[in-house]
Amino acid sequence: EVQLVESGGGLVQPGGSLRLSCAASGFTVSNYWMDWVRQAPGKGLMWVSHTNSDGTTTNYVDSVKGRFTISRDNAKNTLYLQMNSLRPEDTATYYCVRVDSRDGSGYRHFDSWGQGTLVTVSS
Amino acid sequence: DIVMTQSPDSLAVSLGERATINCKSSQSVLYNDNKMNYFAWYQQRPGQPPKLLIYWASTRESGVPDRFSGSGSGTDFTLTISSLQAEDVAVYYCQQYYGFPYTFGQGTKLEIK
Repeated sequence: EVQLVESGGGLVQPGGSLRLSCAASGFTVSNYWMDWVRQAPGKGLMWVSHTNSDGTTTNYVDSVKGRFTISRDNAKNTLYLQMNSLRPEDTATYYCVRVDSRDGSGYRHFDSWGQGTLVTVSS
Repeated sequence: DIVMTQSPDSLAVSLGERATINCKSSQSVLYNDNKMNYFAWYQQRPGQPPKLLIYWASTRESGVPDRFSGSGSGTDFTLTISSLQAEDVAVYYCQQYYGFPYTFGQGTKLEIK
């Protein structure tokens, strides 16, 4: 069974940093592209970032470019999101998602989602 | 960026009746090389993460009941629930994965009338 378990969320002051982790199990992580998607309280979904299967290619939504960094450790079956210079508008539940990239392409739908971890940016 | 616009924002349907949700993209998400629409539907029940329902615009994910169906191509897409069940109460989102940034519709809240 595919499982994605996020951790690392919490309360942080504006300008602070957090590192989210996503522990994956039930599949060979190194075969899949992985993404982060966030959802502000009571709001819709917003794609945040994307990494290919070996971590050499990454993409970000403009609002987090230069502040967030996605990375992965395939040996540990773990995906990360380093978040710096956090702003109140970054407050959201952050979901780790698997891209259905079995054919090697990252331009695919999200077939598995974690339960999410809540990040609150407030003084 | 490709803007995804869903209609309606909310919908109330009687149990056993048909529910229809529409999504329009600001540009085509049909990739000419393979004639595939890079488009998906997700369901988010209260307090839960989203769940994939439909991909490639009309392919039902494994385990999804066949009362859910997707149609459309290019810029206009529809999610249909043929006979609404109580467990279908949720917010439904459309998404394009044609290009970065991937974008979602604003969501459609489906309730029981």
